[in-house]
Amino acid sequence: EAGVAQSPRYKIIEKRQSVAFWCNPISGHATLYWYQQILGQGPKLLIQFQNNGVVDDSQLPKDRFSAERLKGVDSTLKIQPAKLEDSAVYLCASSPQRNEQFFGPGTRLTVL
Amino acid sequence: AQRVTQPEKLLSVFKGAPVELKCNYSYSGSPELFWYVQYSRQRLQLLLRHISRESIKGFTADLNKGETSFHLKKPFAQEEDSAMYYCALRASSNTGKLIFGQGTTLQVKP
Repeated sequence: EAGVAQSPRYKIIEKRQSVAFWCNPISGHATLYWYQQILGQGPKLLIQFQNNGVVDDSQLPKDRFSAERLKGVDSTLKIQPAKLEDSAVYLCASSPQRNEQFFGPGTRLTVL
Repeated sequence: AQRVTQPEKLLSVFKGAPVELKCNYSYSGSPELFWYVQYSRQRLQLLLRHISRESIKGFTADLNKGETSFHLKKPFAQEEDSAMYYCALRASSNTGKLIFGQGTTLQVKP
């Protein structure tokens, strides 16, 4: 089966600009996660969707980050405006009903 | 507070030597523990979970609730084991949310 797809793979922007990431989960997976992985650290959950509803967004900086999962399939994560400390790899993962999580390749964001 | 600690950033061993990657957790309830692995230029993937009590690629991990540890072990390291290893805690079965440690790079030298 096809894995989790993410795009773009790399993005370089200047601070205060906006950026959006896209994730296509494995077909049929109800749960979708966005993680932020800062260099030298483990992934940190930003937001979790169950179908198109938000289950957990307690660690999402809502003043600048937003995410949506329309129709319960694809998802986008947006940062507006970006700060230097947002430089990280953004990982998308999906799972069938909160079981094993399957990760995408990630998007590496550099904010200058 | 829910936390996962991997005290070693880098573990370097020779091929054939035993390996132990340490993981300690902090959680007041009944945790589920996992080990994830990321090989060079590959995606993060599940290696094993404590509830399965299985051996994957020669690796095993036992949950020690008394010591709040979930160390990953392999008796004889292979060069292909070189990778980044993350210990993760699932604090709530309701959400599936994972809390990851900082990761340990395992380097197996020939």
